[in-house]
Amino acid sequence: ETGVTQSPTHLIKTRGQQVTLRCSSQSGHNTVSWYQQALGQGPQFIFQYYREEENGRGNFPPRFSGLQFPNYSSELNVNALELDDSALYLCASGGGTEAFFGQGTRLTVV
Amino acid sequence: QKEVEQNSGPLSVPEGAIASLNCTYSDRGSQSFFWYRQYSGKSPELIMFIYSNGDKEDGRFTAQLNKASQYVSLLIRDSQPSDSATYLCAVNWGRSGAGSYQLTFGKGTKLSVIP
Repeated sequence: ETGVTQSPTHLIKTRGQQVTLRCSSQSGHNTVSWYQQALGQGPQFIFQYYREEENGRGNFPPRFSGLQFPNYSSELNVNALELDDSALYLCASGGGTEAFFGQGTRLTVV
Repeated sequence: QKEVEQNSGPLSVPEGAIASLNCTYSDRGSQSFFWYRQYSGKSPELIMFIYSNGDKEDGRFTAQLNKASQYVSLLIRDSQPSDSATYLCAVNWGRSGAGSYQLTFGKGTKLSVIP
């Protein structure tokens, strides 16, 4: 158990819809990162939040957005869903030298 | 462009043998390196991280880093069938000091340990 919890675990959405994924970070971790992992690929960095501010972003369009709350929980929002957004979405929290992943949310866009 | 390359495998080793997993990276400025294990349908699980050149051992696992060659490896001694998984190499290019974890991952190497 990493202490990082994501919800929901599975989700099916229709193309064009919007989705919100949630992450509860491990106690004491003030950094949260989000990753997208397509089938057969390594995770790809979406963005990172540190003390409620975005402080790094990967090569993802603006329709991918996020929030971090004072209790260090976090949300990933994706607007105008596309079929290629189907993937495992991973949240990672860290508080020092290590980053630990939650169990992930499997998003299917149909 | 920050890239991390791994042999996709599959790598098959007999039970009890040493499995050797390799990874190269493109960004000479990278400071920290991670190995994750991922079972099918599950999220990545941290095995080890390494910052300094040389070897770092933890139980049956040894990570090796050579910054001059931009190469990092993971050795698994006495391989067990339960080690069968995909092993992901990750390089952290985030800012140091803020607990930054902007990881670039390789595609992973699939390891099969044959009983």
